[in-house]
Amino acid sequence: GAVVSQHPSRVICKSGTSVKIECRSLDFQATTMFWYRQFPKQSLMLMATSNEGSKATYEQGVEKDKFLINHASLTLSTLTVTSAHPEDSSFYICSASETSVSYEQYFGPGTRLTVT
Amino acid sequence: GQSLEQPSEVTAVEGAIVQINCTYQTSGFYGLSWYQQHDGGAPTFLSYNGLDGLEETGRFSSFLSRSDSYGYLLLQELQMKDSASYFCAVSRTGRRALTFGSGTRLQVQP
Repeated sequence: GAVVSQHPSRVICKSGTSVKIECRSLDFQATTMFWYRQFPKQSLMLMATSNEGSKATYEQGVEKDKFLINHASLTLSTLTVTSAHPEDSSFYICSASETSVSYEQYFGPGTRLTVT
Repeated sequence: GQSLEQPSEVTAVEGAIVQINCTYQTSGFYGLSWYQQHDGGAPTFLSYNGLDGLEETGRFSSFLSRSDSYGYLLLQELQMKDSASYFCAVSRTGRRALTFGSGTRLQVQP
């Protein structure tokens, strides 16, 4: 099956710094990737849809200047949390679809971000 | 707006059958998916229903009734490793992203 990787798996940073999270589709090309945020024992909240070669589409309430998304190639999307604060601490997960049909998404292993 | 409702927790014993329901309200409904997520892990795709009826994949089956805006995931011959959170997710016409339900935490007991 299709494999999606994420790096880093865990990161601890100080308040005010920026953190970049990478999402890669290892054995398929993904024109669209998705970024989610998940709090403990809660659902996955879609943050944005990342489109290769164009601007990301952000969900309502998600600050595009704070959560910068770049989808520079068909296998790589990055999420940068800028000027991180403790309330940004969360589990960030990316996903991608192998085909144009999106109901079967392949998820990365997630990144646990802790802002101190 | 959109909403998906599923029970927050379900408990069952090994070898039993459990059904996790999902009701939804959304415009442009296209299909209903189910995902499994173990603690600290990534969600993994289980099943999809685009049409009414039952889809069977091994011990897991999923059902959809579009007229009732309702679906369920059926897990048979429960095993301890099935203890996880299960999410229903809606696909909408013209929108590639999924909208996830709040998740059902299944605990399988010996």
